[in-house]
Formats: sequence, structure tokens, C-alpha cells
Amino acid sequence: DQQVKQNSPSLSVQEGRISILNCDYTNSMFDYFLWYKKYPAEGPTFLISISSIKDKNEDGRFTVFLNKSAKHLSLHIVPSQPGDSAVYFCAATFFGNEKLTFGTGTRLTIIP
Amino acid sequence: DSGVTQTPKHLITATGQRVTLRCSPRSGDLSVYWYQQSLDQGLQFLIQYYNGEERAKGNILERFSAQQFPDLHSELNLSSLELGDSALYFCASSVGAAGGHGETQYFGPGTRLLVL
Repeated sequence: DQQVKQNSPSLSVQEGRISILNCDYTNSMFDYFLWYKKYPAEGPTFLISISSIKDKNEDGRFTVFLNKSAKHLSLHIVPSQPGDSAVYFCAATFFGNEKLTFGTGTRLTIIP
Repeated sequence: DSGVTQTPKHLITATGQRVTLRCSPRSGDLSVYWYQQSLDQGLQFLIQYYNGEERAKGNILERFSAQQFPDLHSELNLSSLELGDSALYFCASSVGAAGGHGETQYFGPGTRLLVL
């Protein structure tokens, strides 16, 4: 049962343009969402998070949007840079649940 | 560098064997989490230890076990290995016990296990 879904396995974006990565979830109990970035041969690195009491959280070039009614979140990267090329994982949890539930990841390639 | 170390980086073994993966958390972190990432899959939570005690359990097989020692390092033991156990195994650590809720988990580089 895939409770967190990233339906696009890969995405290519021109340098300087906006990258939009999408994530859907099915478990209504999830109230905290995170994005992790992973380079080859490294572990995932925390990027940005959002609580369900918000619909947007911004950190520099990275913005996460949450649409609770649609059970959908997205990560926007503006402007995209070559160093953003990586696999991006969406993850979710809820208060009192110690574990993170991850999506399968989206491989983002930024084209110079 | 996240500050979380995992050894070994790579492990090749045969079916039916037993292996031990080791993880040292960041200095000051009391929680250790283990995740399995199979090909084209997301990270699957296996188990969490907090200050030496098992805190949460996920989809961990009975053939797998883990422990956290007084110095807070952790070991994941995989026994009676099968071909399907081939995967990347990640360890993560955090300061407290809250898991991902409001608390950042820092991941190690992973151990790649290949069962032949």
C-alpha cells in the first residue's frame, strides 16, 4: 500500500527555469511533510518541510505547497541550477508516529 | 557530510548467510533509524531505537534484528539472507524520539548489500 506517491520517476528542466516536483498521499492522518534530496552514493539530505496548518513554506529557492483537500504537495525550485540535479523524495508522518513514509522519488536533471 | 557513519559501504554475500551492518549516529543524537531501499522503491522504515530502547517498528522481517548499544551506535543483523534482501540500507539519526515530526533525521551514506 503506497501511501505516498511520486508518479513522475524523472524530470528534466532547463537551467534557470522552474522545477516542479509533485507528491500525492492517501493517509488523512499525515500532518507533516518533508522533502529530501539525494545525490548518488550519499544518503538523503533534508531540504524543506511543511506542517498541515500551513499551505506554503519557503526557504530560499525552494518552496513547498500543500493542498490538503487534494492530498497533494509540490516542491518548486526557482531558478533551477545544475547542482539541483538529484533524486528528490517526498516523505510524510503524523504526530505520535515516529516513522517517515517515503515516496519512490523523482530524478531531477537540470540541463545547462 | 551528515555526521552519520555506516560500515561497510558495500557487502557481497551468498544466500543463507548472515551479515551485520553498523551505524554511528551524529554526536549528541539519541535516536537511530534503519531504512531499506530496494530497486526503484522508496525508503522503507524498518526500526527505530531511542537511547538504547526499541521505539518503533516498521516493516522489518523476523530474519532481521537490530540493537543500539550504550555508546549509541547501532547494528542491523540480517540472517538467512535471500536474493530479495539485496538493497541499500540507510541509517539515520536524530536528537530526540519524535521521528520525522518536526525533527530532522540525518542520514548516513548507506550500505549496499548484494546477495548472490
